[in-house]
Amino acid sequence: EPEVTQTPSHQVTQMGQEVILRCVPISNHLYFYWYRQILGQKVEFLVSFYNNEISEKSEIFDDQFSVERPDGSNFTLKIRSTKLEDSAMYFCASSVQATNEKLFFGSGTQLSVL
Amino acid sequence: AQSVTQLGSHVSVSEGALVLLRCNYSSSVPPYLFWYVQYPNQGLQLLLKYTTGATLVKGINGFEAEFKKSETSFHLTKPSAHMSDAAEYFCAVSGSNYGGSQGNLIFGKGTKLSVKP
Repeated sequence: EPEVTQTPSHQVTQMGQEVILRCVPISNHLYFYWYRQILGQKVEFLVSFYNNEISEKSEIFDDQFSVERPDGSNFTLKIRSTKLEDSAMYFCASSVQATNEKLFFGSGTQLSVL
Repeated sequence: AQSVTQLGSHVSVSEGALVLLRCNYSSSVPPYLFWYVQYPNQGLQLLLKYTTGATLVKGINGFEAEFKKSETSFHLTKPSAHMSDAAEYFCAVSGSNYGGSQGNLIFGKGTKLSVKP
């Protein structure tokens, strides 16, 4: 079965630094998402992206966050100035369509902000 | 606004026993409901989903879930647990304002299932 791949699997950074989390969605998928899970808490929706623009975002997705599809294969999440509370597992997902379709998730990037 | 509550952060069953993982939801619109499973070091994988129609939904690996509107529940069951079922299970409801978009999912906290030999 095709997979969503995320790199790196673990990322350690200092508070205030910028990080970029990378994802390669499944090749024929058109909708892309980022979710995060803080240790011991729920998986939370961050943002969805379609046709080179954000289609929905949560209140978590503030000005410190941005997403980009820089080429035909990658989908990135950038955090401009990391805070301790950004430490979490970040999941990328993709789907063919937005409605009634199956989301394929990557295995996640564990971000640790020190 | 939508929300999901999963009762029990840990459930332990014996191999061959019934698996019951509880999920209750809150939604102001007809909900789309999902169960995802996460095996160690892997991403979330869709087990099953309810959108419309038949309220008993069958998924992969012998799991099924029943949508009960009157109880606002979507419990996950499997008649006979297998060692390979040990994983974390997440219930989710579609949270999008676009009425049915699956992308904006509201997840529960998850239930870790252990299966004893």
